[in-house]
Amino acid sequence: AQSVTQLDSQVPVFEEAPVELRCNYSSSVSVYLFWYVQYPNQGLQLLLKYLSGSTLVKGINGFEAEFNKSQTSFHLRKPSVHISDTAEYFCAVMNDYKLSFGAGTTVTVRA
Amino acid sequence: GAVVSQHPSWVICKSGTSVKIECRSLDFQATTMFWYRQFPKQSLMLMATSNEGSKATYEQGVEKDKFLINHASLTLSTLTVTSAHPEDSSFYICSARGAGGSDTQYFGPGTRLTVL
Repeated sequence: AQSVTQLDSQVPVFEEAPVELRCNYSSSVSVYLFWYVQYPNQGLQLLLKYLSGSTLVKGINGFEAEFNKSQTSFHLRKPSVHISDTAEYFCAVMNDYKLSFGAGTTVTVRA
Repeated sequence: GAVVSQHPSWVICKSGTSVKIECRSLDFQATTMFWYRQFPKQSLMLMATSNEGSKATYEQGVEKDKFLINHASLTLSTLTVTSAHPEDSSFYICSARGAGGSDTQYFGPGTRLTVL
């Protein structure tokens, strides 16, 4: 079985400041890792994913994440956020094509 | 590409009635579709996995007779909430996985169900 823990439920950040959203996972097998973003009253949009290979993954909208196997982490980062990055962010682990999501992190970007 | 739509986007119904939600993959064939439920300020919980032409597989604790899933074609899956009650009010989201062992699920915009 696998599980995902997002360590921060809410992250307020000022515009143009960097942001890091923390995600730790547990799994007994190799996993695929994902970050999704959800804007209010919308479905989920894929930001990036790690399947194999380079541990630094670059995604859309300037986001990147680093897979750390020894720390079982997949933290998401963006060097400079915009107001439009205000949203809910979900980390997820896939096993047997099923996704298990973390509880989500609400990012609020203020001017 | 990889667009998934849901219809309706929101629905209000009376307690005891049934509601059908459609999930369509618009530009690809989805061999597998997933149905999730999301409560306010909470994460998505997988309800069931449906494969085209076969019965859906429900997660533990999900009543299959209450949440009927049909995946009749490679582009359409439906979720019917039967005899809906206020506690069934939620945001229902579907996702679709393409053929060929695709590792990415593409999500629909969700359907907000309110049962009065």
